Amino acid sequence: GESVGLHLPTLSVQEGDNSIINCAYSNSASDYFIWYKQESGKGPQFIIDIRSNMDKRQGQRVTVLLNKTVKHLSLQIAATQPGDSAVYFCAENSGGSNYKLTFGKGTLLTVNP
Amino acid sequence: DTEVTQTPKHLVMGMTNKKSLKCEQHMGHRAMYWYKQKAKKPPELMFVYSYEKLSINESVPSRFSPECPNSSLLNLHLHALQPEDSALYLCASSQEEGLANYEQYFGPGTRLTVT
Repeated sequence: GESVGLHLPTLSVQEGDNSIINCAYSNSASDYFIWYKQESGKGPQFIIDIRSNMDKRQGQRVTVLLNKTVKHLSLQIAATQPGDSAVYFCAENSGGSNYKLTFGKGTLLTVNP
Repeated sequence: DTEVTQTPKHLVMGMTNKKSLKCEQHMGHRAMYWYKQKAKKPPELMFVYSYEKLSINESVPSRFSPECPNSSLLNLHLHALQPEDSALYLCASSQEEGLANYEQYFGPGTRLTVT
């Protein structure tokens, strides 16, 4: 079936470097995408979202890029900090309802000091 | 207040026990959710309540029984669970308003172990 997946299950970066987390999606009908961050022992935390009529959206130290041609989503984190260490999930509204999110597999980001 | 609280944080129960998980939010959100998350996996939607009425049941076994007593509270009643039901149970809420439903605020979860 259709699902959201990730290219890299783990990513290790040095503190201060930029991080890029990738996500592939297969449901062309999805029109809303979200990145969530889940730290150990906590629930997922909303980071940033993007609608399908946009290619790029920036937040504080984070940027989400959407390439609809190849069905690819990425999260860029600038000047990665140890506090950014977490599992990052992309999600899309592919469930056909106003509530359902389909989550990707997740990428574990480890920031080395 | 942008917090979703869940109690208890940890729960160990036997297969014949009856227990309940509780979730509370005071953000005025009118959509509330239960998710199940196994280790190293993404959250899986179980139930959605909209304006205190059950809107979605993702074919969850009847040993899980949700309840929404009012707009701030969400319970998940557990009975005759199986060891494979051991997981992190997450509660979430969102504004009941179009795309805002996808911006879901999650609680810290209840770590459930069924013995």
